[in-house]
Amino acid sequence: GAGVSQSPSNKVTEKGKDVELRCDPISGHTALYWYRQRLGQGLEFLIYFQGNSAPDKSGLPSDRFSAERTGESVSTLTIQRTQQEDSAVYLCASSFQRNTIYFGEGSWLTVV
Amino acid sequence: GNSVTQMEGPVTLSEEAFLTINCTYTATGYPSLFWYVQYPGEGLQLLLKATKADDKGSNKGFEATYRKETTSFHLEKGSVQVSDSAVYFCALIPSGGSYIPTFGRGTSLIVHP
Repeated sequence: GAGVSQSPSNKVTEKGKDVELRCDPISGHTALYWYRQRLGQGLEFLIYFQGNSAPDKSGLPSDRFSAERTGESVSTLTIQRTQQEDSAVYLCASSFQRNTIYFGEGSWLTVV
Repeated sequence: GNSVTQMEGPVTLSEEAFLTINCTYTATGYPSLFWYVQYPGEGLQLLLKATKADDKGSNKGFEATYRKETTSFHLEKGSVQVSDSAVYFCALIPSGGSYIPTFGRGTSLIVHP
């Protein structure tokens, strides 16, 4: 596609429910990144994919968070048993090798 | 490890004032350097970039020069507008090792009419 596409754009969920966030990277981009941004804060690195492997999962905040990627295409970030502190915008970005990374518009998650 | 340090915000200016947002970095080799802008309620957009020493990135009246000797990439604009109000992030992509970009904490810019 023309840009990085994320869905849903907004999600309100009840505490304890599971959520899935989807990211469609720019076609041909081999690298894919997930970040979390709490309200008024900077970017918190979560995970990075090179192709469909994840060389660096060090940023995942707990075992409730997991992510997968199909080939060099769609990625899904799953948060199990959501907590209120998970409320944030989840940003996906993609790049071709070490070139510029491009961000999606984000998925705004609110846990009530 | 790699790091990016930006000046603390918010930066508050009147319209048509001169803007500087400082950014310094720590990295081995020759990283690529970027400025991203985030308008309220939106994702990050690439503003400008520079990939080697002494390169100047420019876009929409904003400029930044890659200074290897001072490990800096300061963002400047000669005359800001109200529509420039946003959060600005400095970032680097390393030239070797991990592909993971490193971002600064962001600097909020508020421009008053």
